[in-house]
Amino acid sequence: SAVISQKPSRDICQRGTSLTIQCQVDSQVTMMFWYRQQPGQSLTLIATANQGSEATYESGFVIDKFPISRPNLTFSTLTVSNMSPEDSSIYLCSVESRGRPGPDTQYFGPGTRLTVL
Amino acid sequence: SQKIEQNSEALNIQEGKTATLTCNYTNYSPAYLQWYRQDPGRGPVFLLLIRENEKEKRKERLKVTFDTTLKQSLFHITASQPADSATYLCALDYNDYKLSFGAGTTVTVRA
Repeated sequence: SAVISQKPSRDICQRGTSLTIQCQVDSQVTMMFWYRQQPGQSLTLIATANQGSEATYESGFVIDKFPISRPNLTFSTLTVSNMSPEDSSIYLCSVESRGRPGPDTQYFGPGTRLTVL
Repeated sequence: SQKIEQNSEALNIQEGKTATLTCNYTNYSPAYLQWYRQDPGRGPVFLLLIRENEKEKRKERLKVTFDTTLKQSLFHITASQPADSATYLCALDYNDYKLSFGAGTTVTVRA
């Protein structure tokens, strides 16, 4: 399994500002994923970040709002830009398990709890 | 549209009993179905994976069944303990490597 850390663990931000969330993995992985989990809701995939290429965004999420960097095989950042209260959520990064036990199993970080006032 | 539905109500059970959680899906053709556990303030943790050609999978006190005809998976926690209290999520693969999650079922085990 992989050990994943996220920074910050939580933050309270003002409307209109931006926050960058960091995700660090203890081993090299090809695919990293960013999710949003709103209160009482399921996890929603924001984008997939592969090293050396542009992130791939899911329907309803755009690069201008959620720019992602993936400078190497152990690190990624997600920025939540021009925030509004509707962006208040938990943001989670995850990594693929490299086929064990299944090709789609993922390991998750602890999440970043964001509150926008 | 694609949809994953889990027990809408939270599950409260007595210690020692079996908890049974349901995951139903529509408009998916998953090769795998996975179950994750999520504790408050933490990310999901992988528990079990079952393939489309498997009917049942067990791991310690956990048992998962997968019926691709009914488009349903059942997740059982036998001899439940207060430490099993958490939210349990089912997840389906789509577009090769991506996962789609259900909203989860919260289980509370009373001592």
